[in-house]
Amino acid sequence: ELKVEQNPLFLSMQEGKNYTIYCNYSTTSDRLYWYRQDPGKSLESLFVLLSNGAVKQEGRLMASLDTKARLSTLHITAAVHDLSATYFCAVSEYSDQLTFGKGTKLSVIP
Amino acid sequence: EAGVAQSPRYKIIEKRQSVAFWCNPISGHATLYWYQQILGQGPKLLIQFQNNGVVDDSQLPKDRFSAERLKGVDSTLKIQPAKLEDSAVYLCASSLGGGGSVYEQFFGPGTRLTVL
Repeated sequence: ELKVEQNPLFLSMQEGKNYTIYCNYSTTSDRLYWYRQDPGKSLESLFVLLSNGAVKQEGRLMASLDTKARLSTLHITAAVHDLSATYFCAVSEYSDQLTFGKGTKLSVIP
Repeated sequence: EAGVAQSPRYKIIEKRQSVAFWCNPISGHATLYWYQQILGQGPKLLIQFQNNGVVDDSQLPKDRFSAERLKGVDSTLKIQPAKLEDSAVYLCASSLGGGGSVYEQFFGPGTRLTVL
């Protein structure tokens, strides 16, 4: 059974600081997705990582994938309040079915 | 381009009652998914359709849950009878294809179900 673990599950960070969210998974998949979810809202796709060493950046967020270590990271640079949300990683083992982690609830405080 | 539509957005029922959710995927998307998201957890796949056929329903509690996708477009998910533990957000997602291809899933706004 595919397992996806995120840590931390809760993260409170100050504006302007940097931090990294980790996503470990138990399969040899090379497809990993990051989603953002605001309270009461649906999931918004952030990044799709499809190969070992893939790195994608959008604004203050950067995601990377190490398939050998079965690890993806979501790095936050100089956090701002607008980044407060819950971030999910999801892994596709075969076909296009996604297995999600439990999510990391990020709160950016002044 | 219109996104994935779902209705209703909220539903409150008593246990043992029945409820149905509706989903209209993005036009042209062959694959449709239903997920259950319990508070504080990530979404869990319930069922996947490819056009109007079921690809995977291994995690669907078939004693009380049913889903169909007539004509390969809209889909309905039904719970009968509902239990307290069914309280969750039910998310519908769609993608262009499947079968090993890499197609991004787009999610609808979800239906928040509360079972009292």
